Amino acid sequence: DGGITQSPKYLFRKEGQNVTLSCEQNLNHDAMYWYRQDPGQGLRLIYYSQIVNDFQKGDIAEGYSVSREKKESFPLTVTSAQKNPTAFYLCASTPGLARANVLTFGAGSRLTVL
Amino acid sequence: AQSVAQPEDQVNVAEGNPLTVKCTYSVSGNPYLFWYVQYPNRGLQFLLKYITGDNLVKGSYGFEAEFNKSQTSFHLKKPSALVSDSALYFCAVKGYNQGGKLIFGQGTELSVKP
Repeated sequence: DGGITQSPKYLFRKEGQNVTLSCEQNLNHDAMYWYRQDPGQGLRLIYYSQIVNDFQKGDIAEGYSVSREKKESFPLTVTSAQKNPTAFYLCASTPGLARANVLTFGAGSRLTVL
Repeated sequence: AQSVAQPEDQVNVAEGNPLTVKCTYSVSGNPYLFWYVQYPNRGLQFLLKYITGDNLVKGSYGFEAEFNKSQTSFHLKKPSALVSDSALYFCAVKGYNQGGKLIFGQGTELSVKP
C-alpha cells in the first residue's frame, strides 16, 4: 500500500544536539511538507518542497533545515538553534500544488528535548 | 491575512445525538475548505473538502459539512455520533494564490460518550 513512513516515532534529544527526522513516501507525489503540531495551536508549516532539489520556508522555518535529494525523501533536521523543539512533527505530501489537492500524512514523530 | 478559527476547544456529545464542530475562515478569493481528523498519536486523515458547487458536502464515515459564504463558515456535522468518532478535528483553508499551503485551525477535541 502507498503511504508515508516517518521515523523514528519517538525521539529524545539533549539540548544542543541536532536531530534528523526521516520522511519517505511511495505515492509518487511531487510535493512534500513538514508541519509542527503543538497542543492548542493546530499545525504550522515548517518547510515544503515542490520538486527535487527545491524547497521553500514555511511560517516557522527558523531552527530547522531540510533537503530534497530524492523525490521519495524529505528529511527534516531540527538544529540546536531551535529554541523550543519539543513537539509532534508531521510529514505530508500531495501530487502537486493544485489548490484542490488533499494532504496525505505520515503517522508523525514525537520529539522530546531533555 | 488568511486564517481559520475553531471557536470550541472541546465538544461533548452523547452517542446517537447529532454533532456539530464549528469552523469560520477569513481568506481572499474563493476558499477551498477541508476537514481532517486525528486520532491519538497519529497523522491526520482527510474527511471532506469544499471546492465549488453544492454547499453541502458529504465525506467519509458519515460526516458532512455545510459551506456558508455569507457567514464565512464551514461547520462539520454528523446526524448520529458514535463513540469511535471521538478524536481531534481540524478545519483548514487554502486561499487564492496560496499554492499548496494550507492554513489550519487550532483543532477541536470531540468527545462522544456512551
